[in-house]
Amino acid sequence: GIQVEQSPPDLILQEGANSTLRCNFSDSVNNLQWFHQNPWGQLINLFYIPSGTKQNGRLSATTVATERYSLLYISSSQTTDSGVYFCAVHNNAGNMLTFGGGTRLMVKP
Amino acid sequence: DGGITQSPKYLFRKEGQNVTLSCEQNLNHDAMYWYRQDPGQGLRLIYYSQIVNDFQKGDIAEGYSVSREKKESFPLTVTSAQKNPTAFYLCASSTPRTGEGEAFFGQGTRLTVV
Repeated sequence: GIQVEQSPPDLILQEGANSTLRCNFSDSVNNLQWFHQNPWGQLINLFYIPSGTKQNGRLSATTVATERYSLLYISSSQTTDSGVYFCAVHNNAGNMLTFGGGTRLMVKP
Repeated sequence: DGGITQSPKYLFRKEGQNVTLSCEQNLNHDAMYWYRQDPGQGLRLIYYSQIVNDFQKGDIAEGYSVSREKKESFPLTVTSAQKNPTAFYLCASSTPRTGEGEAFFGQGTRLTVV
């Protein structure tokens, strides 16, 4: 099946700093999503981005499907950005959503 | 409110018992999924269903069973055959049936074996 790798696995930032999280996947995909898991375990949808670039406030994402990677940008980080960020992809058959291992972000005040 | 509802939020099970986790959605989504998350780890797929009365095993189906009798409901049973059931369980749904659409998650059920 598809392999999804995220980097870095852990990231510590000072409040106000910018960061880039990366997601690589091993095969062509129909769909890619970015999620933020909050301290209570809830998965919050950030972006549905099979290709191209999207922005939502301080967050933006870019997927280059032909090169099999996606990037999540966090600008002017805040302590509330802390948590785990996951990317997930649907295979071409569309029947399985596979997750990467996540990037654990801690933003210090 | 549209969304995915998982219940209960916390569940305690004695060893040797079967337990059933509920997942209901009112988003009119075709596809539904169950994932398991262990502490500090990513999500692993247990089962998925693309249509009523049909479901497929994911990567870690052993010790689990599901049913899909209604489009809105996809309950997961953790059987006594599951050797290490303590984990966080998440249910998701998406549309269309082939799953290219955006997936949404419930709030999860924390299962603890006592």
